[in-house]
Parts: sequence; C-alpha cells; structure tokens
Amino acid sequence: AQSVAQPEDQVNVAEGNPLTVKCTYSVSGNPYLFWYVQYPNRGLQFLLKYITGDNLVKGSYGFEAEFNKSQTSFHLKKPSALVSDSALYFCAVGHTGGFKTIFGAGTRLFVKA
Amino acid sequence: NAGVTQTPKFQVLKTGQSMTLQCAQDMNHNSMYWYRQDPGMGLRLIYYSASEGTTDKGEVPNGYNVSRLNKREFSLRLESAAPSQTSVYFCASSEAGTLVKTQYFGPGTRLLVL
Repeated sequence: AQSVAQPEDQVNVAEGNPLTVKCTYSVSGNPYLFWYVQYPNRGLQFLLKYITGDNLVKGSYGFEAEFNKSQTSFHLKKPSALVSDSALYFCAVGHTGGFKTIFGAGTRLFVKA
Repeated sequence: NAGVTQTPKFQVLKTGQSMTLQCAQDMNHNSMYWYRQDPGMGLRLIYYSASEGTTDKGEVPNGYNVSRLNKREFSLRLESAAPSQTSVYFCASSEAGTLVKTQYFGPGTRLLVL
C-alpha cells in the first residue's frame, strides 16, 4: 500500500534563512512524488514533481526537492525563505501502474520577518 | 481560463439535509476528483472519475454519491448530511491516463453540518 508521511506539523524559519520541509514515502514500484502548496482559503497549487531522471527537481517560486531513493524521501527546500512562503505544504505520492495520489497530512510553514 | 470552479463556497446544513456540491473545469481534462480536507489528516479521496462515464470509490466514500455529468462537470451529493461530514471539500482535475498526473484544484467548499 502507498503512504506518505510529513513528520513535522509545523516548521518555523526566519526570513532569508534556508528552509526544509520533510517528506518520506512508501510505495510498491517506482514513485511519482509531488509537492503542493495551499495558501489560506485557497485550493492546493502544484509546486513541483519527480517522475524520473535527475534527483534534484526545481519548481515554482524558487523551491526545489531532492529525491532520495535509499532513504525514500522527497524533502522540499528553498535556499532563502520569504515571508510570503508561509503556507501549508503537502507532499503526495503515486506509483507507476497506479492511478490514485495519496497526500500527506501537511506541514505548516511560518516564515518570520 | 477559470480552471476549476466550485459552488457554493460556504454552506451550513442541518443533520439529515441533503445538498449537491458542484464542480466544473475548463481545461479539457478527462479525470476529476473529490477530496475532503480535515485538520491533521491532509486530503482524503472521496470519489474519482477517470474519464467521462466512469466513477470509482476512493478512501472515504460512505455517505456520498457522485455524478459525472459530462466531461466538464463532476458533482458530489450528500443525501443525508451528518456532523462528521463537516469539512472543506475540494474538487480537482487532471489529464487522462493510467499514470499519476498533476492535479489542479478548485478553491474549495466549506461545509458545516449542525
């Protein structure tokens, strides 16, 4: 069965500092991995995805994520956080041969000025 | 393009009442989904429609029904609302195919069942 875990309910970081939001997954077969962001009172917006190829994936708004097969992780990173990055971030996983995407519980990111 | 639209934005129901949540997309996507979002639980799939004319149960289908009216529209019906169905409901759509695709989400419907 597929599953995804976001071990931190909340991440606090100062503006200008690097940020990391963690995600680990479990699937049979090769994983498809996604990050989505949700701003208050809005639907989820796609940030980036890993399907195959380079382990470092670059996405919207300066975010990137690194696929680590041995650690079954797909952590979201940004070199320099902005206050406007404050939002709820969801990791999601699907797998080859499957159809459904499973979402993590979400991690709330607070960036302090 | 409006993307994915949902109506209504907010709704308050009494236990036992029925209602239909509407969803439409203008991206010519074949696949559509209904999720509910509850604090600490992320998004859980209620029903999905891989293509026009087909619907399938997701993780939490009990108490819900869906209709894929045409390629653009996918509605979610609560026949007899219960307080446990208080949640935020999101509709999403994606391109066709058996492989996992990027999903595009609507703004959500906040439902309170008293």
